[in-house]
Amino acid sequence: QTVVTQEPSFSVSPGGTVTLTCGLSSGSVSSSNYPSWYQQTPGQAPRTLIYSTNTRSSGVPDRFSGFIFGNKAALTITGAQADDESDYYCVIYMDSGISVFGGGTKLTVL
Amino acid sequence: QVQLVESGGGVVQPGRSLRLSCAASGFTFSSYGMHWVRQAPGKGLEWVAVMPPDGSNKYYGDSVKGRFTISRDNSKNTLYLQMNSLRAEDTAVYYCAKSPWHLSSFDYWGQGTLVTVSS
Repeated sequence: QTVVTQEPSFSVSPGGTVTLTCGLSSGSVSSSNYPSWYQQTPGQAPRTLIYSTNTRSSGVPDRFSGFIFGNKAALTITGAQADDESDYYCVIYMDSGISVFGGGTKLTVL
Repeated sequence: QVQLVESGGGVVQPGRSLRLSCAASGFTFSSYGMHWVRQAPGKGLEWVAVMPPDGSNKYYGDSVKGRFTISRDNSKNTLYLQMNSLRAEDTAVYYCAKSPWHLSSFDYWGQGTLVTVSS
């Protein structure tokens, strides 16, 4: 069974930069997994940030960027703001046609 | 603008069935893949199922395979999720989501509909 791994929690100072990662329990993440990233605040629907590794969704500021870092997908947030405090989820697409969510990273801005 | 509106949620007893709908507007529905994603209370997001634009090759998550069926009516711009043999662990907010150019991900989301499985 495929497990997608994310840091459970992370903190960043206002104005700072943070990189969240998304890996596989076995194997490497590559662009052919079309990694994507989503932001969710409590009680709200998810918001799409990045898809196909590094394509920003409509309206997403360029403070958010996605890339492959070694054997993982990564999301970097620069100039962190208070309203970036959210849960962040990655999704990995598998050859079998299924998509798998990571467990999410709770980002604190303080 | 893209709008996705889910409906059909509610309280249902274990073992019973429920059908969710997702009404789409603001884009050419028949040209895009569509997904269902769910979130149990206090838990993370879980991918449920995907259906390509032409209705071929549907895929399901392991936890719902054999019990849930995704379908679409392109003439009505509507996505469906038929949920049978419901279990307590199916209790969740169910979101429909639109794919961008590739089935791998989601670019727009609905607001979700809550399904509670309880006796």
